[in-house]
Amino acid sequence: DSGVTQTPKHLITATGQRVTLRCSPRSGDLSVYWYQQSLDQGLQFLIHYYNGEERAKGNILERFSAQQFPDLHSELNLSSLELGDSALYFCASSRQEFHNSPLHFGNGTRLTVT
Amino acid sequence: DQQVKQNSPSLSVQEGRISILNCDYTNSMFDYFLWYKKYPAEGPTFLISISSIKDKNEDGRFTVFLNKSAKHLSLHIVPSQPGDSAVYFCAASASRGSQGNLIFGKGTKLSVKP
Repeated sequence: DSGVTQTPKHLITATGQRVTLRCSPRSGDLSVYWYQQSLDQGLQFLIHYYNGEERAKGNILERFSAQQFPDLHSELNLSSLELGDSALYFCASSRQEFHNSPLHFGNGTRLTVT
Repeated sequence: DQQVKQNSPSLSVQEGRISILNCDYTNSMFDYFLWYKKYPAEGPTFLISISSIKDKNEDGRFTVFLNKSAKHLSLHIVPSQPGDSAVYFCAASASRGSQGNLIFGKGTKLSVKP
């Protein structure tokens, strides 16, 4: 158990809809990262928050947004969903701001857009 | 543009033998490298890391080798065990500049046969 909690585990929704994925980092971790894993793809970095502030953006679509709350949990909002958004979405946390320490991943949310 | 490449999608090894997983990278700014292991329905789990100031790091049965001139790293598992069967991801980051986030390869699926 990594200590990172993601909810829900599975989500099935229709095209055009909006969903919110939730992540609770490990206790004491200030950094939260979101990654997307599509079929046959590696983990694609989406966005990084540190202590409530956005630190870096990767390949995140404009239809997607995220935030980190004062209690350090994070939400990833996906809107105007398309079939191609179907993927595994992972949240990861770490104590530090940058990558000189390993990330700890949750078990992911599997999003299916029909 | 794939900055971290794992050119072998799969690898099959006999129990007790050595498993060698390879990874190439293109960005010379990368200075921190990690290997993650992923079982089905779980998030990636950190395995071992290496800083660019080293060329080898060992942890039990796992050893990571880094060849900076070739921009190549490898993970050796000796001896391989059936429980090692999983997808292995190579990841890299640059501690300087804005690219402080992990870039992952697409993974290599290791099967260790009894």
